[in-house]
Amino acid sequence: DAKTTQPPSMDCAEGRAANLPCNHSTISGNEYVYWYRQIHSQGPQYIIHGLKNNETNEMASLIITEDRKSSTLILPHATLRDTAVYYCIVRPSTGNQFYFGTGTSLTVIP
Amino acid sequence: KAGVTQTPRYLIKTRGQQVTLSCSPISGHRSVSWYQQTPGQGLQFLFEYFSETQRNKGNFPGRFSGRQFSNSRSEMNVSTLELGDSALYLCASSGDRGRTQYFGPGTRLLVL
Repeated sequence: DAKTTQPPSMDCAEGRAANLPCNHSTISGNEYVYWYRQIHSQGPQYIIHGLKNNETNEMASLIITEDRKSSTLILPHATLRDTAVYYCIVRPSTGNQFYFGTGTSLTVIP
Repeated sequence: KAGVTQTPRYLIKTRGQQVTLSCSPISGHRSVSWYQQTPGQGLQFLFEYFSETQRNKGNFPGRFSGRQFSNSRSEMNVSTLELGDSALYLCASSGDRGRTQYFGPGTRLLVL
């Protein structure tokens, strides 16, 4: 199963875009990239996922590089409520088991 | 649609006891996965059930078991509790088409 690497922590000024990187260099062709966030020990919240094309929804945008070895989650206008741990996950091609890494702790600063 | 629900939300047990946690998935979802979250080990996959059958299993001892009922509700059981079993236990459900997992709020278990 493909592993992911994320910076342990990041800060972002309120109102600015938060760009969270993720490395997944061993990803296979049919494995999806998922992003979740967890706010203060609540259940992880689904944000967005993608295979090879860039994706956007009401919460965020996901940019996946052409070689699919890395991706970036973009929160366009970060608010204080976006302070959370963000997890980048590569979903296996079979099965529903997600392997969470240590994630990135994002702090949005007023 | 209502989200994933887990009961109870908090639980205190003593070493050696057993515990059963319950998870009700989103209506229509047939896959239920369980995860354990501890400060030291992070979020770890326990097992997944689909249509009442265990489909995947993580690397946990046999004291951790689960089952799924015909209405897709799931329970997990931990026998002979140890102090290290203190954790947040999370349940997630997903549908047949999309395999996006939606998590419940978790059950926080404290073993004394």
